[in-house]
Amino acid sequence: GNSVTQMEGPVTLSEEAFLTINCTYTATGYPSLFWYVQYPGEGLQLLLKATKADDKGSNKGFEATYRKETTSFHLEKGSVQVSDSAVYFCALINRGGSNYKLTFGKGTLLTVNP
Amino acid sequence: ETGVTQSPTHLIKTRGQQVTLRCSSQSGHNTVSWYQQALGQGPQFIFQYYREEENGRGNFPPRFSGLQFPNYSSELNVNALELDDSALYLCASTGSAGGMETQYFGPGTRLLVL
Repeated sequence: GNSVTQMEGPVTLSEEAFLTINCTYTATGYPSLFWYVQYPGEGLQLLLKATKADDKGSNKGFEATYRKETTSFHLEKGSVQVSDSAVYFCALINRGGSNYKLTFGKGTLLTVNP
Repeated sequence: ETGVTQSPTHLIKTRGQQVTLRCSSQSGHNTVSWYQQALGQGPQFIFQYYREEENGRGNFPPRFSGLQFPNYSSELNVNALELDDSALYLCASTGSAGGMETQYFGPGTRLLVL
């Protein structure tokens, strides 16, 4: 079956620090990969996505590259801000099989201090 | 903001009661998915509706049921509520962005079962 594993949180950084949140996946077929962000008390917002190997998704200074050889989709940002404090979820849809559902990781809580 | 709306925002029920949650899709989206997000966890897929028909179901018991209406809005019904049903319930509608189908989430309904 499909699964997503994210690095355990919480992650606490100072403003302007470099961020990496690791994500690896297991899937049959050819998954599309996503990062969603959840701010306190809110629903999920799509942050970025990638559909095939070596694609790079980017948005709001965040980037992630689809690495098929390592089955990874690590999220990075060069300089975090206090407003980036949120829970980040890595997710996949398996386009090779029943591609109707998102499979999520458990989420990583990021706290950025001024 | 995604254009997906959910009601109510919060709800308190007692064990054994029934609940109905509602979702309005983003304009033009004919596919709706429901997810359950327990505290501190990633969302878990409940089911998906496409053009008023169930199009896939996750590992949830039959007391979780749904409907999709001709205007593509949707309901999630849960019978015989249990304490473990306390969670954030998220609705997502599917649209194409950059040629790729993507799920866009509403703000969620937070259900507390006492």
